[in-house]
Amino acid sequence: EKVMTQSPGTLSVSPGERATLSCRASQSVNNNLAWYQQKPGQAPRLLIYGASTRATGIPARFSGSGSGTEFTLTISSLQSEDFAVYYCQQYNDWPRTFGQGTKVEIK
Amino acid sequence: QLQLQESGPGLVKPSETLSLNCSVSGGSFSRSTYCWGWVRQPPGKALEWIGSFYRGGSTYYNPSLQSRVTISVDTSTNQFSVRLASVTAADTAVYYCARHGRGGCYWFDDWGQGTLVTVSS
Repeated sequence: EKVMTQSPGTLSVSPGERATLSCRASQSVNNNLAWYQQKPGQAPRLLIYGASTRATGIPARFSGSGSGTEFTLTISSLQSEDFAVYYCQQYNDWPRTFGQGTKVEIK
Repeated sequence: QLQLQESGPGLVKPSETLSLNCSVSGGSFSRSTYCWGWVRQPPGKALEWIGSFYRGGSTYYNPSLQSRVTISVDTSTNQFSVRLASVTAADTAVYYCARHGRGGCYWFDDWGQGTLVTVSS
């Protein structure tokens, strides 16, 4: 099973600042990685797939990069609606696995 | 606009079987190229993939749950379901049904709102 490890666990950022979230795979997942945003009481929302392709309707301030075992989600200028928990998910192998999440909170 | 809606008991007793349905509306369920699945999330914890299937094709399960879980499809309606046997308190979670994106069991691009299932006597 591919273990996905996200860091940091919590990221404190001021509105307008840049946020950089990391996701590391225990073995290569090629570029078969997705990112999700989840707000309290809501279902996850797909942000990025294929490590770097934005899903439909996702603002350009969200960008993904990386391949193999190291991936990054960058939010270029945090808006109030971006404070949430973010998860990565690999779909290179079975079972599909998620990271433990990074909470982005207001500084 | 695709919509998924989970339904089922919110409270299940330990050792019993959890059973949930997912109703799909707004198209695409009849297309065999789409993959559908279940994901759960214990309170305050991370997402966990339960299993996925292609309608009319293969079904895949998380090995950690495989001995207890069954996903099935009602071909006469736009519904699929999950059954989890011999539940314990560790199975308390919000259960989501979801559709994978673009014709494969890859990322999840549409989700139901989720339903909380509590395992307690």
